[in-house]
Amino acid sequence: AQKITQTQPGMFVQEKEAVTLDCTYDTSDPSYGLFWYKQPSSGEMIFLIYQGSYDQQNATEGRYSLNFQKARKSANLVISASQLGDSAMYFCAMRGISSGTYKYIFGTGTRLKVLA
Amino acid sequence: GAVVSQHPSWVICKSGTSVKIECRSLDFQATTMFWYRQFPKQSLMLMATSNEGSKATYEQGVEKDKFLINHASLTLSTLTVTSAHPEDSSFYICSAGGGRGQGPYNEQFFGPGTRLTVL
Repeated sequence: AQKITQTQPGMFVQEKEAVTLDCTYDTSDPSYGLFWYKQPSSGEMIFLIYQGSYDQQNATEGRYSLNFQKARKSANLVISASQLGDSAMYFCAMRGISSGTYKYIFGTGTRLKVLA
Repeated sequence: GAVVSQHPSWVICKSGTSVKIECRSLDFQATTMFWYRQFPKQSLMLMATSNEGSKATYEQGVEKDKFLINHASLTLSTLTVTSAHPEDSSFYICSAGGGRGQGPYNEQFFGPGTRLTVL
């Protein structure tokens, strides 16, 4: 069975500082993808970053980077130079091949609040 | 990124009526779309996988006759909440993969969601 765990229900960070959002996963699939999405209060799901299980290097997208530690089964999101607009709900998700349809498994989310 | 639209963005209806929600991929073809439900301050719960030209695959515990899904074309999937009741009030979101395919390495693009309120 696949599972995503986000242990931080809420986080605060000061504007311009970096913050790490934790995500651990469990899967027996040999091949899988890990994703982070941002959901502001409007409800839309915004794709942030992706990491493939066979990728040797950590993914980066602008101010977002993914700290991928395969042996520890963790895929933490790092947001550098936080901005007020980063305040939102953040979801970690995984897709594997065992489901056949590659459906997402979501974590419970972390609510981030950036303080001015 | 790819664009997925949903219509309507919000709907209020009386108990017992049916509501149809549309999900469209605007700039790519999607053989598979997904429908999620989200309660306040909770995560997304997958309801069903919509397959173009065939029956949808429902997750355990989701009533097929209650939530009718039709994927009539490569750019359109619809979710119909039949005989809606107040407990069906929720935020419904659809997603679709891009033109690169449906593998585990491809991100899903989400629609903006539909907020359903059943009185």
